[in-house]
Amino acid sequence: GDSVTQMEGPVTLSEEAFLTINCTYTATGYPSLFWYVQYPGEGLQLLLKATKADDKGSNKGFEATYRKETTSFHLEKGSVQVSDSAVYFCALRGGGGNKLTFGTGTQLKVEL
Amino acid sequence: DADVTQTPRNRITKTGKRIMLECSQTKGHDRMYWYRQDPGLGLRLIYYSFDVKDINKGEISDGYSVSRQAQAKFSLSLESAIPNQTALYFCATSDPSGAYTDTQYFGPGTRLTVL
Repeated sequence: GDSVTQMEGPVTLSEEAFLTINCTYTATGYPSLFWYVQYPGEGLQLLLKATKADDKGSNKGFEATYRKETTSFHLEKGSVQVSDSAVYFCALRGGGGNKLTFGTGTQLKVEL
Repeated sequence: DADVTQTPRNRITKTGKRIMLECSQTKGHDRMYWYRQDPGLGLRLIYYSFDVKDINKGEISDGYSVSRQAQAKFSLSLESAIPNQTALYFCATSDPSGAYTDTQYFGPGTRLTVL
């Protein structure tokens, strides 16, 4: 079945540092890939997505590129801020049904 | 006003009690979902519904039941709560048509503690 593996956290960075959160997936066919973010005390919200190989999703300075050859969708940001502190979930939607498979989440803490 | 609301936001109950978590949405979406979130396990799908007459089990449906009372309402019930159902529960919606077919929209969550 479909699965998503993402790096364990917490990840602690200083403000303005470069961020990478790794995500790899296993799926049949051509899944759509997502990053969702969960701020403290809130539900998940879509951060970015990519629907086909080589697509780059971007939003709020975050980027991720759909790499089919490495089955990866790593999240990057060039300069993190304290307000980026949250839990980040990688997810995929396989064929049919709009059901999402989530990774375990990576907590990011950004300090001054 | 929030598009997806969940009630209650927090609930403490005892083993063996019946409890219902409610979800309402004003987005007009046909598809609704219930997930639970546990530390280190991410989100796991409990039940999903593609319309009022279509309800499906997710990967962890045992011990849970659902009711889709209307397009806008989707309730999750624990008939006899047990401590390992202590978790954060999320409702989500999606629209199978239009430009954002893949996107799910989440409610704020219900934190349930079973003693």
